[in-house]
Amino acid sequence: EAQVTQNPRYLITVTGKKLTVTCSQNMNHEYMSWYRQDPGLGLRQIYYSMNVEVTDKGDVPEGYKVSRKEKRNFPLILESPSPNQTSLYFCASSFSSYLGANVLTFGAGSRLTVL
Amino acid sequence: AQKITQTQPGMFVQEKEAVTLDCTYDTSDPSYGLFWYKQPSSGEMIFLIYQGSYDQQNATEGRYSLNFQKARKSANLVISASQLGDSAMYFCAMRDDAGGTSYGKLTFGQGTILTVHP
Repeated sequence: EAQVTQNPRYLITVTGKKLTVTCSQNMNHEYMSWYRQDPGLGLRQIYYSMNVEVTDKGDVPEGYKVSRKEKRNFPLILESPSPNQTSLYFCASSFSSYLGANVLTFGAGSRLTVL
Repeated sequence: AQKITQTQPGMFVQEKEAVTLDCTYDTSDPSYGLFWYKQPSSGEMIFLIYQGSYDQQNATEGRYSLNFQKARKSANLVISASQLGDSAMYFCAMRDDAGGTSYGKLTFGQGTILTVHP
């Protein structure tokens, strides 16, 4: 089944404890992206990657890192999490960044709580 | 900068009735794409419908149609014959297709919670 898989789905952690949210897609998509969803704000882009070894900042990159060493994987790293990073996180992918009806496919989401 | 506005925090509709969810957008780019996604209580994001800025016809996908009024910069979602399973959060989103630094980014509205009553 074509999908974007995120792990963990739920995580409670403490301030300053490094964590990684993994994202993997099995559709050979070039483009991958991370969003966070907060009430009243919709979804906002954190980072994106147009292909292997090509990443760039989105609208809210502070406090996050990413890497794209393989086409299928795009992990999100929180080096020193803080309570304001408590949110619902989505990984998404598509064949290319912009091409007509090219649709972003989203993972199931990862709910992170930082105490 | 791109902006998407959904002015209806919540909407109620009776089962089998039609409902319109409002979305207005702001962009200076001539080439863009408009999307609607559904987020049920389980949390996943489900793609519903797409409209390109140069498309002459309004997009339709089953019970979903997009009422695209380019001059008004609106892209309202119409759901016909509502079902109980349509109860969810609905997001309108825009992608700038002109390239540059936005590279496929979707800009989302705040969302509208739709509740379908039996």
